Amino acid sequence: QVQLVQSGAEVKKPGASVKISCKTSGYSFTRDYLYWVRQAPGQGLEWMGVINPSTGYADYAQNFQGRLTMTRDTSTSTVHMELSSLKSDDTAIYYCAKGGDGSGLAYFQNWGQGTLVTVSS
Amino acid sequence: EIVLTQSPGTLSLSPGERATLSCRASQSVSSNYLAWYQQRPGQAPRLLIYGASSRATGIPDRFSGSGSGTDFTLTISRLEPEDFAVYYCQQYGSSRRTFGQGTKVEIK
Repeated sequence: QVQLVQSGAEVKKPGASVKISCKTSGYSFTRDYLYWVRQAPGQGLEWMGVINPSTGYADYAQNFQGRLTMTRDTSTSTVHMELSSLKSDDTAIYYCAKGGDGSGLAYFQNWGQGTLVTVSS
Repeated sequence: EIVLTQSPGTLSLSPGERATLSCRASQSVSSNYLAWYQQRPGQAPRLLIYGASSRATGIPDRFSGSGSGTDFTLTISRLEPEDFAVYYCQQYGSSRRTFGQGTKVEIK
């Protein structure tokens, strides 16, 4: 079965960077796009960006341009999300999600368990 | 960017009752690429509906989606205890995917 397993919780100081991994299994890694979504405490869902695991091409939401980088490692079927210049309002649970149909415009069919990132001095 | 507005913010109902959740888009959603997700406390979101009306694998048939263009609805025909949760709509028809702010379905 499809699984997305994310790395563990992180605590970072303002101005630092965080890198979260999402290891996938149970399907062909290069077939479906992978997305990142975050959720601040008590808030809704915010789409951050998408990566095509086949080509490595990534597209980011306007809010994160310039400080968000998504990469993939096809040898381990893993995608990474790095967010830099962290601020306190980046404190959130970060989710990876797998697209449903192999296209760049897809619903989010499977989700990782989430990674809590806390930004605090 | 397409803005999705969900209503109501909170829906207070009893088990067995029917729930009707609305999602309105600021412009037409391309190809009705509209999805609904359920999120229970402490859990990741779960896909319920995609393409406005197609149920995801394993989703009970008490969940149904309808609508097109700018107006979409998620209906839960008879609420079960495990259905009390927050529900989000999402459009994925544009490169700038967006979510609604969520509707909480709570026990009355």
